[in-house]
Amino acid sequence: QQQVKQSPQSLIVQKGGISIINCAYENTAFDYFPWYQQFPGKGPALLIAIRPDVSEKKEGRFTISFNKSAKQFSLHIMDSQPGDSATYFCAARPRGNLIFGKGTKLSVKP
Amino acid sequence: DVKVTQSSRYLVKRTGEKVFLECVQDMDHENMFWYRQDPGLGLRLIYFSYDVKMKEKGDIPEGYSVSREKKERFSLILESASTNQTSMYLCASSLQGFGEKLFFGSGTQLSVL
Repeated sequence: QQQVKQSPQSLIVQKGGISIINCAYENTAFDYFPWYQQFPGKGPALLIAIRPDVSEKKEGRFTISFNKSAKQFSLHIMDSQPGDSATYFCAARPRGNLIFGKGTKLSVKP
Repeated sequence: DVKVTQSSRYLVKRTGEKVFLECVQDMDHENMFWYRQDPGLGLRLIYFSYDVKMKEKGDIPEGYSVSREKKERFSLILESASTNQTSMYLCASSLQGFGEKLFFGSGTQLSVL
């Protein structure tokens, strides 16, 4: 089964720092790469997404960097805040339904 | 505001019981999905539906079935619950097909004893 490998499993960052979460995929036919954010007791919510025709997408403090040749993409959270503490899931779509990574639990310390 | 509602937040059932998890969306979305979420395993797709009366198996359909009699409602059925089905179950819907912009419910934490 095709996989999306996400790292790290958990991450602790100081307030104001940069949080970086990485994902790698296997199949070059993947055509859509979203990131979902999940707070405790809630379902995941779409945070930001990118398609393989661009190398970077920025929305506020959140940026996706995409490296097509390496089959990797990452989420950068600039000026991380305690309110960003959540579990983050990357996903990739192989022209079918999404395949999710296993998640990264981010804790931002004040 | 967009809403996906799951009928129960917590559910405790006995081994062998038939279990129904209900999900309703108010966005007139064509597509609905059931995922289970387990620590360290992420989100895994159980079943999905792209239209009323239509259903397709996801990655882990064994031990589950679904029903979609109306567009807004998608039910997950555990015919005979087992302890390895203890998990968080998440329902989602989307307007476009193939995983574009999923809206998730808050989940049902099912414990099978």
